[in-house]
Amino acid sequence: QSALTQPASVSGSPGQSITISCTATSSDVGGYVSWYQQHPGKAPKLMIYEFTSRPSGVSDRFSGSKSGNTASLTISGLQAEDEGDYFCSSYTNSNFRFGGGTKLTVL
Amino acid sequence: EVQLVQSGAEVRKPGESLKISCEASGYSFTSYWIGWVRQVPGKGLEWMGFIYPGDSDTRYSPSFQGQVTISADKSATTAYLQWTSLKASDTAIYYCARLPPAGDHLDSWGQGTLVTVSS
Repeated sequence: QSALTQPASVSGSPGQSITISCTATSSDVGGYVSWYQQHPGKAPKLMIYEFTSRPSGVSDRFSGSKSGNTASLTISGLQAEDEGDYFCSSYTNSNFRFGGGTKLTVL
Repeated sequence: EVQLVQSGAEVRKPGESLKISCEASGYSFTSYWIGWVRQVPGKGLEWMGFIYPGDSDTRYSPSFQGQVTISADKSATTAYLQWTSLKASDTAIYYCARLPPAGDHLDSWGQGTLVTVSS
């Protein structure tokens, strides 16, 4: 199985939009991609599943997409509370793969 | 409300055994897979495996097969993760998480259990 590569860090100012990519090293990201937010000392929280679906209770400022071998998470209208780590994950053959995580800094 | 409540932090010596727990409530325990995820502090997430409490079907990540045992007690609505001989490299935070019937994401997470293995 290929690895999932994320940028180590991204940053943006309040009100701006940012996008975090999740790229498979092989031809396709494989399986449905989900995204998780993690604040320091806290458990991960599901933000997006099946590339584009948002769980109830998650702000519509969070959206997901897929293009070729890359899945992306976009956060619009950045807020201070969005700061944290974001992980993508792909599920295939009873196995989850996680990206290395991206640290989002809200300037 | 779906809740996964994990047991508290543990400190063990290398070679010792350990079993940590994840008590589920707010949904039908036997109808959802429960998985375990490892996170070394400051590092990424690693998938360990999962169990379907309804029939105890258990699947392990190749990286953790033979290293840990995942189990569940339907009467206690609790899943477990256990080691027979801990190593210093097992020091990490362990999360349990629920998979919905579609089974392709983790929709609810426990608060995590810190396991420290040190002589």
